[in-house]
Amino acid sequence: DTGVSQDPRHKITKRGQNVTFRCDPISEHNRLYWYRQTLGQGPEFLTYFQNEAQLEKSRLLSDRFSAERPKGSFSTLEIQRTEQGDSAMYLCASSPGRGSHNEQFFGPGTRLTVL
Amino acid sequence: KQEVTQIPAALSVPEGENLVLNCSFTDSAIYNLQWFRQDPGKGLTSLLLIQSSQREQTSGRLNASLDKSSGRSTLYIAASQPGDSATYLCAVNRRGSTLGRLYFGRGTQLTVWP
Repeated sequence: DTGVSQDPRHKITKRGQNVTFRCDPISEHNRLYWYRQTLGQGPEFLTYFQNEAQLEKSRLLSDRFSAERPKGSFSTLEIQRTEQGDSAMYLCASSPGRGSHNEQFFGPGTRLTVL
Repeated sequence: KQEVTQIPAALSVPEGENLVLNCSFTDSAIYNLQWFRQDPGKGLTSLLLIQSSQREQTSGRLNASLDKSSGRSTLYIAASQPGDSATYLCAVNRRGSTLGRLYFGRGTQLTVWP
């Protein structure tokens, strides 16, 4: 399978714990995005990387959230001191960048439940 | 700020019907528009991408049109099948913002019954 992969697929944690999610983009895609989706809503943008550079962060990304893409390949999203309001589906997408019209391809998501 | 609205929120039809899903956006300065399909509890599958200079795109039984000046797109599904049951999401990539940041609607939940 050469699509976007995410791990874990599901995560249940207690309030106050830290969690980390991983995203592996399609090989050679230099753009990587994180979105969050709550029930009944469309995905909302969180942050965007071009190669290893984090170029934009949404206001949704509080100081408890941090994302990295250290070598311009996979990315991690960490949430510290989780709150019940963090419960959502976290989606990762990648895009080839220039010349591709920036079509985004999404992974299966990580479902986070904070108890 | 770009606002994306999808109508109807839900649609239930018998198999074989031709369908039209609607998407509207407030800022016509877009780079492109994508239609996605999402099955329950799953990620998004890209269906069609229309560049701002295009009027429509077709893939199999799906046809998407774009009227950028009026801020509207429609997704036409021909001869619907039960396997088409899913939520359909429209998203725009606004020119001038971070290239690639998508603004999504809330989706149309489609049920096609046999």
